[in-house]
Amino acid sequence: EVQLVESGGGLVQPGGSLRLSCAASGFTYSSYSMNWVRQAPGKGLEWVSYISSSSGTIYYADSVKGRFTISRDKAKNSVYLQMNSLRDEDTAVYYCASGGNFPDYWGQGTLVTVSS
Amino acid sequence: NFMLTQPHSVSESPGKTVTISCTRSSGSTASNYVQWYQQRPGSAPTIVIYEDNRRPSGVPDRFSGSIDSSSNSASLTISGLKTEDEADYYCQSYHSSNHWVFGGGTKLTVL
Repeated sequence: EVQLVESGGGLVQPGGSLRLSCAASGFTYSSYSMNWVRQAPGKGLEWVSYISSSSGTIYYADSVKGRFTISRDKAKNSVYLQMNSLRDEDTAVYYCASGGNFPDYWGQGTLVTVSS
Repeated sequence: NFMLTQPHSVSESPGKTVTISCTRSSGSTASNYVQWYQQRPGSAPTIVIYEDNRRPSGVPDRFSGSIDSSSNSASLTISGLKTEDEADYYCQSYHSSNHWVFGGGTKLTVL
């Protein structure tokens, strides 16, 4: 069974940092591109970042470029999202999702709240 | 970049058929596959249609997808509506550089 389990969310002040993790199991993780997608409270889905299977290709949404960094560790079957200079508008549930052209599997999400 | 526009909400009675549209703002809908996701309250999205009209295993054949080049849109049709189909539905496509574009979501009420 495919499982993606996110962790690392929480309450942080504006300007602060958080590191999200996503542990994968049940599929050939090393062969899959991985992504982060977020959903603000009561709002729709927003793609955040992409990393290829080799980590050789990385993309970010304009809204997070320069502030967020995606990475992956094949030995730990995990993908990470380092979030710096957090803003109120970054408050959301953050999902990791596998897939290149489209998300096929999703984690259950981790809530990030940016508030003073 | 392009946007995907969905109706904010739709409602229909159990047993009936409902169609949710997803209109692409620029470029051709036919140039990139469209996927559809179901999201129930408090849960992560799950895929119900991929590559315009293909159903993952486990998704009932009451769910179907199509594209219409004349209106530059994709559609999700759910027939034989059940109360369990009540959820938010999102269309998704991608453009160059493997960026995912999502529609704004449609709240389906089965009443």
